[in-house]
Amino acid sequence: EVQLVESGGGLVQPGGSLRLSCAASGFTASPFTLHWVRQAPGQGLEWVSYITTYSDIIYYADSVKGRFTISRDNAENSLYLQLNSLRAEDTAVYYCARDRGHVEFDVWGQGTMVTVSS
Amino acid sequence: QSALTQPASVSGSPGQSITISCTGTSSDVGAYDYVSWFQQLPGKAPKLMIYEVNYRPSWVSNRFSGSKSDNTASLTISGLQDEDEADYFCTSYTSSGTVVFGTGTKVTVL
Repeated sequence: EVQLVESGGGLVQPGGSLRLSCAASGFTASPFTLHWVRQAPGQGLEWVSYITTYSDIIYYADSVKGRFTISRDNAENSLYLQLNSLRAEDTAVYYCARDRGHVEFDVWGQGTMVTVSS
Repeated sequence: QSALTQPASVSGSPGQSITISCTGTSSDVGAYDYVSWFQQLPGKAPKLMIYEVNYRPSWVSNRFSGSKSDNTASLTISGLQDEDEADYFCTSYTSSGTVVFGTGTKVTVL
C-alpha cells in the first residue's frame, strides 16, 4: 500500500524545537517533490515547504522562513521538518504530501499534531 | 503569499450542481494551469480531486470538474450527493516558486 506516515509531533513550549519525520512506504519517494502542509485547529490548509528530488530546490512559506528546515533522505525513503523557535501560531496538524507534478498532492500522510504552549 | 479567496460556504440540494470559486492573482492562479482541488472530510487528510485546472485522478467521479478564467479557478460538482458534504480547498503554484492554498469552502448538502 502506498502511504506516508508522519511522526514526531507533540507538546512543546514557545521557543522550543521539534523534528518531524515522514516515512514513505509502498513506493520510492526519490523521484517525487515532497511537501509539508499544516492545518491549525478549525482552520484551513497552509502550505509550509517543499523539497525537490535531489534537495536542490527548497522553498518555504514566509511564516516559517528562517525557523523551519526541510530535508530528505532518499536512502531512507524519508522526509523531515526541523521546527525551531516555535510560536503558539505554529500549533497545527502537520501533513506530508507527495507531489506528482505541480501541486498534484496525490498521497498524504495522516498528520502529526504539534502543540506550542506553555 | 496571501491565501486564495474562496466562499466560506456553498450549499445545494441532492441532484443539483454547485460551483466553488477560487480567486487569486496573475502571480498564482493566472500565471499557470497549476491549480488543484482537494476534498477534506472531518478528521481526515485532504484528497486530490482535480489537478492542472481540469484533470481528474482515476479515483474521482466525473461529477467533479474544474475550469479557470483569468485569475479565478472553479470547481463544479454536478448531481450533488450526500457524500459530497465536506470542505474543499483550492491550491496553486505561484510565479515565485511557492505554493498557496485557498481559504476553504464548506459544502453542505441540504
